[in-house]
Amino acid sequence: GNSVTQMEGPVTLSEEAFLTINCTYTATGYPSLFWYVQYPGEGLQLLLKATKADDKGSNKGFEATYRKETTSFHLEKGSVQVSDSAVYFCALSDQAGTALIFGKGTTLSVSS
Amino acid sequence: GAVVSQHPSWVICKSGTSVKIECRSLDFQATTMFWYRQFPKQSLMLMATSNEGSKATYEQGVEKDKFLINHASLTLSTLTVTSAHPEDSSFYICSVNRGPSGANVLTFGAGSRLTVL
Repeated sequence: GNSVTQMEGPVTLSEEAFLTINCTYTATGYPSLFWYVQYPGEGLQLLLKATKADDKGSNKGFEATYRKETTSFHLEKGSVQVSDSAVYFCALSDQAGTALIFGKGTTLSVSS
Repeated sequence: GAVVSQHPSWVICKSGTSVKIECRSLDFQATTMFWYRQFPKQSLMLMATSNEGSKATYEQGVEKDKFLINHASLTLSTLTVTSAHPEDSSFYICSVNRGPSGANVLTFGAGSRLTVL
């Protein structure tokens, strides 16, 4: 079945450091891929998405490229801020509008 | 964008009691809502798909008699945990499918934390 694997956290960085959170997936067909972020005490928010191979999703300085050949959707940011501290979830859906399958989440902690 | 509200945000109950959690889509009529369960430091696990006006579709391994879902209107879905036990303690999150006009993106509520004593 479909699944998502994320790198284990927590990830601890200093402000302005480069961030990579790895995400790989297993799916039949051509899923849509998502990154969601959960800030402390808040609900999940969509950070970015990509719906087909080689698409790059981007938002708030974060980027992720849908790589079908490596079945990956790694999240990157060139310079993290303290306000980026949150839990990040990689997810996929095999049909538009259907339920998402999530990875376990990666906690990011950024210190000044 | 669509706003999804859950209530209560935190509930503590005694073992054996039933607890109802509401999920409201405040500015979007949602024919489909999804209920997830999140354990500490773990991923969100889909429990069921709630369909307005019809029975919910439960994922394998989820007890439908324990987790009653009612989607009586386009803006409200409820999850009732019946005869709750400590192992039901968890974070329950609902999400709304905004449909084609919303690029079929799911919007999530802030979650409801259930603690069963």
